[in-house]
Amino acid sequence: QKEVEQDPGPLSVPEGAIVSLNCTYSNSAFQYFMWYRQYSRKGPELLMYTYSSGNKEDGRFTAQVDKSSKYISLFIRDSQPSDSATYLCAMSEGTGNQFYFGTGTSLTVIP
Amino acid sequence: KAGVTQTPRYLIKTRGQQVTLSCSPISGHRSVSWYQQTPGQGLQFLFEYFSETQRNKGNFPGRFSGRQFSNSRSEMNVSTLELGDSALYLCASSKGASNTEAFFGQGTRLTVV
Repeated sequence: QKEVEQDPGPLSVPEGAIVSLNCTYSNSAFQYFMWYRQYSRKGPELLMYTYSSGNKEDGRFTAQVDKSSKYISLFIRDSQPSDSATYLCAMSEGTGNQFYFGTGTSLTVIP
Repeated sequence: KAGVTQTPRYLIKTRGQQVTLSCSPISGHRSVSWYQQTPGQGLQFLFEYFSETQRNKGNFPGRFSGRQFSNSRSEMNVSTLELGDSALYLCASSKGASNTEAFFGQGTRLTVV
């Protein structure tokens, strides 16, 4: 079993929809949680960085962490065609800068 | 502010050869991590350097090695290339010693033929 599980999709939604992306993990030592967006043939771009449980909002993006369930989510409001990309969750234990990634969810927002 | 720079962007090598990839982190960042990205496995951690010292290493064979220079630039070397080493190699730059945000470069796409 992988330490971080992420539904690969693909996910296809109409423009303006609310998108929910999720990851589960098995390592209870994970404390730091990140979401990245990766366009085709590009490097991952950091979207959200959160510590421990709770919610964090940044513009149209909201990251949610539930440590008791070992479950994290990223919500995208008012989705745009430019949001079409692969979304990667990542997490770390708290020592060093080693991150564990999900395999990514491919999202397409249809105009 | 310049981002993370990886060179070269694309590389084609033959089985058995060796290759060196380069990463220049964001100015002021002292931590550099390397990841291998393949369609089947996703991003897998190779190793991390902080202040010229390797602090963590992933589960890769000894053919994969790296180093970091005093200016924080890092190189990754893969010897005796195998077809399965074909992947996107990504470098991530972080400012502090642990759990700081990681910013990725565009990657080097290595194809082994």
